[in-house]
Amino acid sequence: KQEVTQIPAALSVPEGENLVLNCSFTDSAIYNLQWFRQDPGKGLTSLLLIQSSQREQTSGRLNASLDKSSGRSTLYIAASQPGDSATYLCAVFYNFNKFYFGSGTKLNVKP
Amino acid sequence: EAGVAQSPRYKIIEKRQSVAFWCNPISGHATLYWYQQILGQGPKLLIQFQNNGVVDDSQLPKDRFSAERLKGVDSTLKIQPAKLEDSAVYLCASSFITGRTDTQYFGPGTRLTVL
Repeated sequence: KQEVTQIPAALSVPEGENLVLNCSFTDSAIYNLQWFRQDPGKGLTSLLLIQSSQREQTSGRLNASLDKSSGRSTLYIAASQPGDSATYLCAVFYNFNKFYFGSGTKLNVKP
Repeated sequence: EAGVAQSPRYKIIEKRQSVAFWCNPISGHATLYWYQQILGQGPKLLIQFQNNGVVDDSQLPKDRFSAERLKGVDSTLKIQPAKLEDSAVYLCASSFITGRTDTQYFGPGTRLTVL
């Protein structure tokens, strides 16, 4: 059974700090991995998509890495801002249209 | 570009009642997904449509849940009868092709409370 775990479940940091969110998965035969952001009362917004053949993707202050062999991905946020406060979810996509979400990391960036 | 629309935004019902949710995906998106997100958990895929055909409904509790996408555009998800454990946010998402290689766009969700 595929499982996706995100640690920590919650994180509070002061503004300006660099931080890392972690995602681990049990089955390394992935197709791709996506990081999403979820704001309260809203749907999910896709942040970064990493194909299984890639090792990282970058968008602005965000950098996501993928290590298939160890079953891990990290989302690095540079120079955090209060507007980054949200829940961050990773989703692992397998073949045959199977994909699984982690439970998310709730981030609070304090001004 | 208009996003994914869902209605209603909130619904409160008694157990054993019926409820229906509606989703209108982004224009031109062939793939539509319904997810269930229980508080504190990540979304769980219930059903995936490609145009008006079902691609995957392996995690849909078919004894009480049903979904349709008759004309390959908007979709409805129904629960009949509802149970307490169905309390969750129901998210609809769409993508141009398939979410494995293409970004999924999510609607705001419908928060269901079953009393």
